[in-house]
Amino acid sequence: DVKVTQSSRYLVKRTGEKVFLECVQDMDHENMFWYRQDPGLGLRLIYFSYDVKMKEKGDIPEGYSVSREKKERFSLILESASTNQTSMYLCASSTGAGVSNQPQHFGDGTRLSIL
Amino acid sequence: LAKTTQPISMDSYEGQEVNITCSHNNIATNDYITWYQQFPSQGPRFIIQGYKTKVTNEVASLFIPADRKSSTLSLPRVSLSDTAVYYCLVGVASGGYQKVTFGTGTKLQVIP
Repeated sequence: DVKVTQSSRYLVKRTGEKVFLECVQDMDHENMFWYRQDPGLGLRLIYFSYDVKMKEKGDIPEGYSVSREKKERFSLILESASTNQTSMYLCASSTGAGVSNQPQHFGDGTRLSIL
Repeated sequence: LAKTTQPISMDSYEGQEVNITCSHNNIATNDYITWYQQFPSQGPRFIIQGYKTKVTNEVASLFIPADRKSSTLSLPRVSLSDTAVYYCLVGVASGGYQKVTFGTGTKLQVIP
């Protein structure tokens, strides 16, 4: 079974801090994704990557950056955390060419609170 | 960017068939439609995927009309454990490259 592991289930940070959320997948998948999930807004794509060192903006990239230095690891960075970035963050991975042509496998999420 | 829309919620009795429709009128030409199930405090889990017409697996069926601007997830004979939020996911073309967008999600409540 594919395993997508997010480094923390719960995280509390302060406004203005630089925050790193880490995600690792163990199935050699080409594509990796970061979403945030908020009540009433569903899942929204922040960034995705289809190869090492490659990244593309999703629907809500403002205030975030990403890093993919190795194929199995995709990091989400909040450059200067703000309270409106309090949310559930979900990482996913999928194989193959074309970001929607194969099912995505999700981690269980990181619930981030910015105080 | 046009939204991918679903009904907010549905109720169903145990043993009934449930159909959840997703409207995705900006789907990219070569992209698939995928449905996920999500329980509280968990990430979404894959249910079924299709490109056109009908796809069936051991847990669900997926109906896609010829214009591919919508899709319907069909869950046969639901049980209490099917109470969850269901999302569709489609690929869309945006700004010269391809990305994915989730539907707004449908909260299914199965009633004994």
